[in-house]
Amino acid sequence: EPEVTQTPSHQVTQMGQEVILRCVPISNHLYFYWYRQILGQKVEFLVSFYNNEISEKSEIFDDQFSVERPDGSNFTLKIRSTKLEDSAMYFCASTRDISDEQFFGPGTRLTVL
Amino acid sequence: DQQVKQNSPSLSVQEGRISILNCDYTNSMFDYFLWYKKYPAEGPTFLISISSIKDKNEDGRFTVFLNKSAKHLSLHIVPSQPGDSAVYFCAAQKQRFGNEKLTFGTGTRLTIIP
Repeated sequence: EPEVTQTPSHQVTQMGQEVILRCVPISNHLYFYWYRQILGQKVEFLVSFYNNEISEKSEIFDDQFSVERPDGSNFTLKIRSTKLEDSAMYFCASTRDISDEQFFGPGTRLTVL
Repeated sequence: DQQVKQNSPSLSVQEGRISILNCDYTNSMFDYFLWYKKYPAEGPTFLISISSIKDKNEDGRFTVFLNKSAKHLSLHIVPSQPGDSAVYFCAAQKQRFGNEKLTFGTGTRLTIIP
């Protein structure tokens, strides 16, 4: 069964460093999302992406964040200068069309020291 | 900004009995509701959904009930099985269309006791 994959599973970085989290959505999906879950808190929406542009972003998704679909398969989330409070589980999700539910990847645990 | 609330952080149920997980929402713009299940070290997995034009949706052992006037929904699992032990998230959307973000509750950890 097709699934969303994410790499790495765990990323440790120093505060102020740039990180890139990678996702491979399901191949025929068109809509892409990033969510995050800080430990003990709810899953929060970060950004949605369609047709090579951002559709919606939350207040969390400030200028330090960016997303890109560099080729036909990858969908990346870049954090330019990480902060301690960026430590969280980051989930990528995708959906095929307007009536489908979102399928989530297993997540990348980001730890900022 | 708690637009979707799950007031029970945990719930323990005997195997074979009914599990009832509750969810409340405050935003009347929400039109579509979903339940996701999450195991440790995995992403959320879609379980069942309901549109605001319905009050019940059933899929095997899982039934979701929606009381729109009370802004309340519940997930019933019957009979409960050990494999149902997981964290359950209620989520809502303003419309059932792609590109529409999910707003999640804080989750309820369900433990099924053999």
